[in-house]
Amino acid sequence: QLQLQESGPGLVKPSETLSLTCSVSGDSISSSSYYWGWIRQPPGKGLEWIANIYYSGTTYNNPSLKSRVTMSVDTSKNQFSLKLSSVTAADTAVYYCARSGYASSVDYWGQGTLVTVSS
Amino acid sequence: QSVLTQPPSVSGAPGQRVTISCTGSSSNIGAGYDVHWYQQLPGTAPKLLIYHNNNRPSGVPDRFSGSKSGTSASLAITGLQAEDEADYYCQSYDSSLSGSYVFGTGTKVTVL
Repeated sequence: QLQLQESGPGLVKPSETLSLTCSVSGDSISSSSYYWGWIRQPPGKGLEWIANIYYSGTTYNNPSLKSRVTMSVDTSKNQFSLKLSSVTAADTAVYYCARSGYASSVDYWGQGTLVTVSS
Repeated sequence: QSVLTQPPSVSGAPGQRVTISCTGSSSNIGAGYDVHWYQQLPGTAPKLLIYHNNNRPSGVPDRFSGSKSGTSASLAITGLQAEDEADYYCQSYDSSLSGSYVFGTGTKVTVL
């Protein structure tokens, strides 16, 4: 059974960089059929897709987040990561890592991790 | 920044049928991209409910069904049960947004 687990600081200061890692078990991140990505949900609000990465390193970012997003993949550790720079309070959210098909559904989600941006 | 519009809330008595609409545009649902639906129970991660417009993953009751037409899609819940009280989100792909996955605004289903 595929499992995804987010890890990283729960508190980030404004203007700093948010960094999260997703550890994948039960499947190889090098699978050619899937994309690995991040989705967030501000408290009491809806879901927002952040970015996806393919095992080859090709990334797809949400244009609304512009160049603040960087994703990377470490196939040796079966992990992928997210960096979101210049964070503000508006970036406070539960961040989920997830697996999806190309232009398809998100079939597996991590449990989510709350990241608060505050000084 | 959601580009898919859903009603904020719907409600129904146990046993009734409720539907949730998801309205998009010509660059997402209307372009032929599939619609997927998720159920989010309080305090938990979303769970895939319907994929590729009208398919249920293993374990999802057949009380849940999806459909798509033109620039819109719908999720129907028949025989509403107390455990169906949750938030529901539609999701598709938008070709005008550099390969973006887009979510609906979300709908809270209340079982009266």
